[in-house]
Amino acid sequence: GQQVMQIPQYQHVQEGEDFTTYCNSSTTLSNIQWYKQRPGGHPVFLIQLVKSGEVKKQKRLTFQFGEAKKNSSLHITATQTTDVGTYFCAVTSGTYKYIFGTGTRLKVLA
Amino acid sequence: NAGVTQTPKFQVLKTGQSMTLQCAQDMNHNSMYWYRQDPGMGLRLIYYSASEGTTDKGEVPNGYNVSRLNKREFSLRLESAAPSQTSVYFCASTNRGGEAFFGQGTRLTVV
Repeated sequence: GQQVMQIPQYQHVQEGEDFTTYCNSSTTLSNIQWYKQRPGGHPVFLIQLVKSGEVKKQKRLTFQFGEAKKNSSLHITATQTTDVGTYFCAVTSGTYKYIFGTGTRLKVLA
Repeated sequence: NAGVTQTPKFQVLKTGQSMTLQCAQDMNHNSMYWYRQDPGMGLRLIYYSASEGTTDKGEVPNGYNVSRLNKREFSLRLESAAPSQTSVYFCASTNRGGEAFFGQGTRLTVV
């Protein structure tokens, strides 16, 4: 079945440093989504990418979808303590079946 | 709007006991999902329901059953709980664009 690898598993950064997490698939994806889960909370939708090479920005967050639609990245510029949490990518396997990556847990040291 | 509501929030079961996790959404979404989350394992899909009247297995369906009671409600049943089912369970529903909305989660411990 569909699998996605997400790296790194953990990342500790000093506040103000940048952070990037990557999501990789062995198969071509129709789209990819990104979610954020705060400690003790539930996943919250951030964005969906659909087009090859697509780049979207949300304030300090930049999302990219690879040209071959097999990988994606989430980059945070100048991290803040509010960025703490786990970031997941999610892909569809079939039309309705959403599979999540293992997540990248981000810690921001003040 | 309440969004996605799960009950209970916490539960402790003894091995072999059964229970049903309830989930309801008020966003008129067609598709609903049950995931479990274990440390370091991310979210794993247990079952999903693309629309009222249909259910399908996800990545880890063994030991679980589901019922799509109506468009709003999607329940998850553990017939004979095992310690390996200790986890946080999330229910979700998706809008037509595929954006998933999650409930607050049920923290289940099986002893």
